Amino acid sequence: EPEVTQTPSHQVTQMGQEVILRCVPISNHLYFYWYRQILGQKVEFLVSFYNNEISEKSEIFDDQFSVERPDGSNFTLKIRSTKLEDSAMYFCASSDGPARETQYFGPGTRLLVL
Amino acid sequence: AQSVAQPEDQVNVAEGNPLTVKCTYSVSGNPYLFWYVQYPNRGLQFLLKYITGDNLVKGSYGFEAEFNKSQTSFHLKKPSALVSDSALYFCATLNSGGYQKVTFGTGTKLQVIP
Repeated sequence: EPEVTQTPSHQVTQMGQEVILRCVPISNHLYFYWYRQILGQKVEFLVSFYNNEISEKSEIFDDQFSVERPDGSNFTLKIRSTKLEDSAMYFCASSDGPARETQYFGPGTRLLVL
Repeated sequence: AQSVAQPEDQVNVAEGNPLTVKCTYSVSGNPYLFWYVQYPNRGLQFLLKYITGDNLVKGSYGFEAEFNKSQTSFHLKKPSALVSDSALYFCATLNSGGYQKVTFGTGTKLQVIP
């Protein structure tokens, strides 16, 4: 069964450093998403992406965040200058349609900012 | 705004007994409702969804959920719990229109006791 994959599984970084989280969505999916879950809190939507542009973003997704689909398979989330409060589990998801379609999630990347 | 509520932080059930994990929703328009499960150190796995049609929805691993419009509920059920069902369960709703971010509940930890 096709799965969303994410790398790395864990990342530790120093405050102020840039990090890139990588995702490989399910191959025939066209809609991509990032969510995050701060420890002990809800899973929160960050951004959706379709046709090489951002479709929707939350208030969390400020100028320090960016997303990119650099090739036909990868989908990345970049945090330019990490802050302590960026420490969270980051989930990538994909779906094959925008309307009422199930989003399938990857296993997540646990980011720790020191 | 769309939201779902999970009133129980934790549910304990004996192995072999029926289980119910509760969820209520508040959405405008037609509700699109989902259940996801998160096993330790794993991503969010899709269990089932309600879009339209029969109020009883069957999903993976023997789980089912009952959509109740009058009570605005979408409780997850299983007739006979397994120890391996122990995990964190999230109710979610998909915002209609646009590119549809998923809004998650706070999660309910299910502990199945041998």
